[in-house]
Amino acid sequence: KAGVTQTPRYLIKTRGQQVTLSCSPISGHRSVSWYQQTPGQGLQFLFEYFSETQRNKGNFPGRFSGRQFSNSRSEMNVSTLELGDSALYLCASKENLAKNIQYFGAGTRLSVL
Amino acid sequence: EDKVVQSPLSLVVHEGDTVTLNCSYEVTNFRSLLWYKQEKKAPTFLFMLTSSGIEKKSGRLSSILDKKELFSILNITATQTGDSAVYLCAVAWSGGGADGLTFGKGTHLIIQP
Repeated sequence: KAGVTQTPRYLIKTRGQQVTLSCSPISGHRSVSWYQQTPGQGLQFLFEYFSETQRNKGNFPGRFSGRQFSNSRSEMNVSTLELGDSALYLCASKENLAKNIQYFGAGTRLSVL
Repeated sequence: EDKVVQSPLSLVVHEGDTVTLNCSYEVTNFRSLLWYKQEKKAPTFLFMLTSSGIEKKSGRLSSILDKKELFSILNITATQTGDSAVYLCAVAWSGGGADGLTFGKGTHLIIQP
């Protein structure tokens, strides 16, 4: 099985722009979670989607949003980018809600200039 | 507020040494504790521990959980340069119609030849 695929791998944007990141989970996995990773804060939870519904949201401003499609693929969007949004954005999938193990993609490295 | 604390935050040892990484937690609605290894980008799953006192082993790596004292340790024996990575501890929780993983900030392990 293919692993979790995230695109693009790298992005450079300027302040005020918006960005959309994509995540394709492992085939058959229906739960997708997003995390922001920075050197100072570590991995911080953004949101989780299951069956196209957002089940949980972390403590991030409304500029961060996401969605999940019927094929379980997910996108996250960040509007009005700020310098502090520069980070590695990781997507993880798991088979269903009863499972604990999440499998991670390689991430999208976002740099905001 | 849920928290996962890892120590030390960084560690430099020589090849062949044995290391012990620590993870303590205060998480409501605990389900399990997971260890991940992050070398470049994608964290890769190592162990999941659910019950106290049962050691999980994989080659030179082993881990154990103490649910009474709320901590786990990850041991690596006969370290090799390929063990250099960030080791992440995460606690899986479930409650209030949601579930997720709360991560520690990681231990950055460097193995010198």
